[in-house]
Amino acid sequence: KAGVTQTPRYLIKTRGQQVTLSCSPISGHRSVSWYQQTPGQGLQFLFEYFSETQRNKGNFPGRFSGRQFSNSRSEMNVSTLELGDSALYLCASSLQGSPAQWDGYTFGSGTRLTVV
Amino acid sequence: TQLLEQSPQFLSIQEGENLTVYCNSSSVFSSLQWYRQEPGEGPVLLVTVVTGGEVKKLKRLTFQFGDARKDSSLHITAAQPGDTGLYLCAGASGSARQLTFGSGTQLTVLP
Repeated sequence: KAGVTQTPRYLIKTRGQQVTLSCSPISGHRSVSWYQQTPGQGLQFLFEYFSETQRNKGNFPGRFSGRQFSNSRSEMNVSTLELGDSALYLCASSLQGSPAQWDGYTFGSGTRLTVV
Repeated sequence: TQLLEQSPQFLSIQEGENLTVYCNSSSVFSSLQWYRQEPGEGPVLLVTVVTGGEVKKLKRLTFQFGDARKDSSLHITAAQPGDTGLYLCAGASGSARQLTFGSGTQLTVLP
């Protein structure tokens, strides 16, 4: 079965611009989460969506937002880009299940965002 | 804020050697996951451990969850060049599908 698909793979933007990243989860997975990965901070949780609703949100400024569509596809948006937003943005999907049965994510390959 | 400390940060060994990576926290986790990430790719799930004291084996990899569910270890026997990658531990708490990741261990296995 197809894995988690993220587009685009690479993106270069200028400070102050905004960017939208896209994620298509594995078919049947309704939970989609986003993480930011940087050399200094490692992987940090951005937010999780399930059934078009944001269920959890990490400690990021309001410039970071997301949404999920009825087909479970998700987008994240970063407005007013800063140099520090340069990172690998990873999308991950998982089956619903109960939290006790959750056995982890399937990650996409990520979108490498460079802000200049 | 929950933190996961991973050690060592870097590890370079010869093929055939054994190694252990540690993941420690002062917080209790409901489950602990280990991932491996290769350059240009997302992390790939290796194992999930949920019970204190649990030991899981995946071929040459042995994962252990501490009795108090605050720490975990990954042991690789007879490492191979194909084991090279960034190993990440990640803890889940409560009912949230949200992981706290360790800083990672960059493993290089030389032929």
